[in-house]
Amino acid sequence: EAQVTQNPRYLITVTGKKLTVTCSQNMNHEYMSWYRQDPGLGLRQIYYSMNVEVTDKGDVPEGYKVSRKEKRNFPLILESPSPNQTSLYFCASSFGSSSYEQYFGPGTRLTVT
Amino acid sequence: QKEVEQNSGPLSVPEGAIASLNCTYSDRGSQSFFWYRQYSGKSPELIMSIYSNGDKEDGRFTAQLNKASQYVSLLIRDSQPSDSATYLCAVNTGGFKTIFGAGTRLFVKA
Repeated sequence: EAQVTQNPRYLITVTGKKLTVTCSQNMNHEYMSWYRQDPGLGLRQIYYSMNVEVTDKGDVPEGYKVSRKEKRNFPLILESPSPNQTSLYFCASSFGSSSYEQYFGPGTRLTVT
Repeated sequence: QKEVEQNSGPLSVPEGAIASLNCTYSDRGSQSFFWYRQYSGKSPELIMSIYSNGDKEDGRFTAQLNKASQYVSLLIRDSQPSDSATYLCAVNTGGFKTIFGAGTRLFVKA
């Protein structure tokens, strides 16, 4: 089954404790992206990757890191989480420049206390 | 700051009616436009994409694009209670940057 998977689905952590949210897709998509969704603000792009080892900042990259060492994986790293990073996070992928239609993972609900 | 604006709603329509959802965007150079549906507690799923001016129909859904007015709309014909969801307008502003609107909540009353 073609899909985007994220882990964990739910995470409660404390301020400053490094965490990684994994994202994997099995569709051989070139493009992957991370979004956060907050009430009233919609989806905001954090980082995106056009291919292996190629990443760029979205609209809200502060406090986040990403890496793309393999085509199928695009982890999101919070080196020192803060309460304002409490949010619902989505990973998405698409074929790339031939199509910007995105397929979303199930989401990760993160709470930072 | 590039923006995508949507009326947050809620938009309430009776079953069988036409629901009309609207979206405006600020970046005149945008080329790709999308509508996603998001049920409560779920992830967004693509409904329609549109790239050129005019209408594009897919089943009960019609997307309309007017680049001169920087306006995108989604019409849902014969609305069903299962169409009740939040509808997100998304605009690709160049490269792989995508900006989403905050979404319009739609309620279809049985």
